[in-house]
Amino acid sequence: GAVVSQHPSWVICKSGTSVKIECRSLDFQATTMFWYRQFPKQSLMLMATSNEGSKATYEQGVEKDKFLINHASLTLSTLTVTSAHPEDSSFYICSARPRGVVGPPSYEQYFGPGTRLTVT
Amino acid sequence: AQSVTQLDSQVPVFEEAPVELRCNYSSSVSVYLFWYVQYPNQGLQLLLKYLSGSTLVKGINGFEAEFNKSQTSFHLRKPSVHISDTAEYFCAVTFLGAGGTSYGKLTFGQGTILTVHP
Repeated sequence: GAVVSQHPSWVICKSGTSVKIECRSLDFQATTMFWYRQFPKQSLMLMATSNEGSKATYEQGVEKDKFLINHASLTLSTLTVTSAHPEDSSFYICSARPRGVVGPPSYEQYFGPGTRLTVT
Repeated sequence: AQSVTQLDSQVPVFEEAPVELRCNYSSSVSVYLFWYVQYPNQGLQLLLKYLSGSTLVKGINGFEAEFNKSQTSFHLRKPSVHISDTAEYFCAVTFLGAGGTSYGKLTFGQGTILTVHP
């Protein structure tokens, strides 16, 4: 149980185009999903927190108009990289927090396998 | 500033040898601590977590970690590794706000690639 999928697993796009990445919780409902970015040989950096039915909360330094996040249902969040540039090339990872898990001490997050984005 | 540091980017070890992966954090507030493992082409899987109580935490696959508040460390250990333990390991921290509240935000270390040789 507690499986999170991401689609696509890898994508190559041309500079200036937009790319949408899906994150789905397959066997549970997720009120909160997190989007991370990982550069080669670097740590995962939280980009934004996505709550179902409300606007995403972006971390400092993350352009919300460039990285559009939509969490329209309890099992799906999408990240759209708009007007992609080569510097947006990275590994994007999502995680989902099951519905009903609130506040300390539980922080159950289940991670997707990631999406490799290459912008040429 | 709040940060997480994994001191070793790569750790090679022979099968059945013990291993320790180091993690230190910097914080002026209370923390929750986690270790995740990432196998090739797979998502992150939780190995173990420290929230409160006993400072020695046991996780899956024979791993354990010890929280040392004075040294702000949370090192991961396994007494005897297997080839199948080859993976990348991430230390992660939740820095708690006033009153111990937080919304689950994780700060990750840089990761340590453990390679187990036969």
